[in-house]
Amino acid sequence: QLQLQESGPDLVKPSETLSLTCTVSDGSVTSISHYWGWIRQPPGKGLEWIGSIYYSGSPSYNPSLKSRVTISVDRSKNQFSLRLRTVTAADTAVYYCAREYKGIGVPGTWLDSWGQGTLVAVSS
Amino acid sequence: DIQMTQSPSSLSASVGDRVTITCRASESISRYLNWYLQKPGKAPKLLIFAASTLQSGVPSRFSGSGSGTDFTLTISSLQPEDFATYFCQQSYSTPYTFGQGTKLEIK
Repeated sequence: QLQLQESGPDLVKPSETLSLTCTVSDGSVTSISHYWGWIRQPPGKGLEWIGSIYYSGSPSYNPSLKSRVTISVDRSKNQFSLRLRTVTAADTAVYYCAREYKGIGVPGTWLDSWGQGTLVAVSS
Repeated sequence: DIQMTQSPSSLSASVGDRVTITCRASESISRYLNWYLQKPGKAPKLLIFAASTLQSGVPSRFSGSGSGTDFTLTISSLQPEDFATYFCQQSYSTPYTFGQGTKLEIK
């Protein structure tokens, strides 16, 4: 069964770059049916889609973060990554990586597998 | 961005009750609507995709309906493990957006 695991620092200083990696196990980032995405959840709040990427295509980003975010895929390591630049306290959140399944003959996409999430605090 | 509004924001119910949660989109999203359940300290879990298709392994007491702008998630007979927060999500257009959540609590 597919497993996703986030890794990266749990504390980042304001104005620096938040970098997280998601390692995919028992599955492949080159799957033709799937995109790979990042979602975040500030403490006690709702969910925000950050963006997603197909292994051979360009990423799609939330416009609210587009100027600061980069999502990339490393096929050799079976990983995908998130970089969020110039962070502030408002970026403090639990960050989830997830697999996004693109329906065939069924409308839409959905997040069918999630990592456990990692809390990243932005503080000096 | 498409705004997703859930109601109610919180709900108290008892084991065995039938409950319905509503999700409304700010514009038509056809059937591009998913439902997730989240327990405290855990990642969300997919329940229903494409408005009414049950994800593999999800109990049949969960059901979804709707199209266009109005959608519902129904739990036919609440079980103790169903007390959690529920989110809807639209995948009609990016950025994909979520409802604010409905917290289902034990009465």
